[in-house]
Amino acid sequence: DAKTTQPTSMDCAEGRAANLPCNHSTISGNEYVYWYRQIHSQGPQYIIHGLKNNETNEMASLIITEDRKSSTLILPHATLRDTAVYYCIVRVVGSGNTGKLIFGQGTTLQVKP
Amino acid sequence: EAQVTQNPRYLITVTGKKLTVTCSQNMNHEYMSWYRQDPGLGLRQIYYSMNVEVTDKGDVPEGYKVSRKEKRNFPLILESPSPNQTSLYFCASNLLNSNTEAFFGQGTRLTVV
Repeated sequence: DAKTTQPTSMDCAEGRAANLPCNHSTISGNEYVYWYRQIHSQGPQYIIHGLKNNETNEMASLIITEDRKSSTLILPHATLRDTAVYYCIVRVVGSGNTGKLIFGQGTTLQVKP
Repeated sequence: EAQVTQNPRYLITVTGKKLTVTCSQNMNHEYMSWYRQDPGLGLRQIYYSMNVEVTDKGDVPEGYKVSRKEKRNFPLILESPSPNQTSLYFCASNLLNSNTEAFFGQGTRLTVV
């Protein structure tokens, strides 16, 4: 079973920030939070990941709460091409890492004109 | 360019006719895996490999075989395909013991009639 909980769907207006929440209340100390997205039926695409500090890259920002039990992916200026299913995944890194990604149902983000 | 390449992208076949879906990565990743994606069931891992000549079952291995004779290649073999193996398949690769991301292929849409 997935170790994360996400809303099933969200809408966002084009040009506005999209904030996608994720709950991972049972996260362990050696688990990172990863975000991927899947546009239509293409292969999942990596967006960003973090351990406990907030992270930013050219695609998005990741805000992780201090207790690490939840996080928010922020797409600062959503475009129509950001319409996709967004997956929040926790994964062990280092000793005990099996490499496996456990996908939940994700959040379907619909960006509207 | 770092990539995972799957072939073919689309395949329609008949029940019982052996087929192979190829997967190749150019990033020297130790870990490779196969997922299938079905409506309402999400992405589920079929088989994985942590290195050359090391393979193991994922969550839904029945009816599939894999091999890992070279580090870059990880073919998925359906010895006797059945209609319930009609699905969208993804190959993925990543480094073990690293927090870097996993890369996914573009997918193979298989229909078994």
